[in-house]
Amino acid sequence: GENVEQHPSTLSVQEGDSAVIKCTYSDSASNYFPWYKQELGKRPQLIIDIRSNVGEKKDQRIAVTLNKTAKHFSLHITETQPEDSAVYFCAASIGGSQGNLIFGKGTKLSVKP
Amino acid sequence: KAGVTQTPRYLIKTRGQQVTLSCSPISGHRSVSWYQQTPGQGLQFLFEYFSETQRNKGNFPGRFSGRQFSNSRSEMNVSTLELGDSALYLCASSFSGSGGTKNIQYFGAGTRLSVL
Repeated sequence: GENVEQHPSTLSVQEGDSAVIKCTYSDSASNYFPWYKQELGKRPQLIIDIRSNVGEKKDQRIAVTLNKTAKHFSLHITETQPEDSAVYFCAASIGGSQGNLIFGKGTKLSVKP
Repeated sequence: KAGVTQTPRYLIKTRGQQVTLSCSPISGHRSVSWYQQTPGQGLQFLFEYFSETQRNKGNFPGRFSGRQFSNSRSEMNVSTLELGDSALYLCASSFSGSGGTKNIQYFGAGTRLSVL
C-alpha cells in the first residue's frame, strides 16, 4: 500500500542552526504535501504545504522543496529557535484527495538554546 | 470562527465495550477525516466523510465505523474494544477535501481513549 517514509526520527540542533527533515512517498498520484507541527499535548497545526505543480515554497524561516520525479520532499527551517521544538509530520495525499492523507512517522526536533 | 471541536476529550473503557466519539467541524467545512495517533504507528488515516457519505477509508477493521450528519458533524464508533485501540483519535475538517487552496485540513484537539 501507499506509505510515507520520514527521516530522521529525532533531530537536535543548536539555536540559530538550520534543520532539514526529509520524506519520500510511494503514490505517484499524490499531488498535495502538507507539513504539520505538533507540540506536546497539542493538536497538529499546518505550517506549510506544497502542491505538485510547484517545486519550492517559502514562508519566512520555513521552506519546502518537492522533487516529483524522485517522490521526495523536504522541510527546511532556518535560524531555528527554541519554540521550534516539536514533532514535525510530513504527509502526502492519496491521489488527488486532500481529505485522505498518509503521514510520516514524525521527527522530534529539539532546538537547544 | 470556532475551530474543530472533539468530545469527549478523555475516555476510559474496558475491553469488549463500544465507544462513540464526536467531531464538530469548522463552520462551512463539509469534509471530516478521522485519524488514530499512537506512539508506535504515528498518525493513521481511518476514514473521510463528505456530504454524509464515506468517501475514503483506511486499513482498519470493520469494528471502526463512522457517520456524518446533515450539519457535517461526524461521529466515530469503535465496537468490541481491544487494548490496542488505546490511542489519541483526531478528526480534521476541510472545506471539501479535494484539491485547491481552501482545502487545508484543520485538526481538533483529539479524544484520548484508554482501554483497560
